[in-house]
Amino acid sequence: TQLLEQSPQFLSIQEGENLTVYCNSSSVFSSLQWYRQEPGEGPVLLVTVVTGGEVKKLKRLTFQFGDARKDSSLHITAAQPGDTGLYLCAGEAGNNRKLIWGLGTSLAVNP
Amino acid sequence: DTGVSQNPRHKITKRGQNVTFRCDPISEHNRLYWYRQTLGQGPEFLTYFQNEAQLEKSRLLSDRFSAERPKGSFSTLEIQRTEQGDSAMYLCASSGSLGTGGYEQYFGPGTRLTVT
Repeated sequence: TQLLEQSPQFLSIQEGENLTVYCNSSSVFSSLQWYRQEPGEGPVLLVTVVTGGEVKKLKRLTFQFGDARKDSSLHITAAQPGDTGLYLCAGEAGNNRKLIWGLGTSLAVNP
Repeated sequence: DTGVSQNPRHKITKRGQNVTFRCDPISEHNRLYWYRQTLGQGPEFLTYFQNEAQLEKSRLLSDRFSAERPKGSFSTLEIQRTEQGDSAMYLCASSGSLGTGGYEQYFGPGTRLTVT
């Protein structure tokens, strides 16, 4: 069974702090996607990483795919209250390309 | 709006009743996925279609659940004889061969089911 372990599960920080969320697996993924989800809404795609070692930046968010395509990280610089939400990683695997999900990181950024 | 839409957004039903949810994917996407999500968990794969063909169903999907995508466009998910354990957010996503790298999945807002 392919699993994605996401950590930490909960994170509460002050505005302006930096943070990193990790997503780890023993399985290789053809791509890995990061989503953000607000309460009562569906996940919204933030980024897809495909190549081992790839780094993508989205404003203050930096996403990295591990060299072996088994893990990924999301780093947020100078967090703002608007960053509050549930961050989910999902690995794409198999011929049907279904997503294997982590449990999510619930982030609260306090003003 | 050309995103994925789902109806209804909320459904409250009594145990034992049947419910049906609808998903309209992004029009040019040929793949459609159904997921279920409970509070504090990541989405759980239920089933997926490529065009009108249902190519995989989760082993977790009991025979009370059925999904269709008759013309390869919209899809319906029906739950028969609902149980309280069916209470969850039901998410639909679509994807195609567009974009760079993998088949990125775009999600609808979900249907929140509450079984009383």
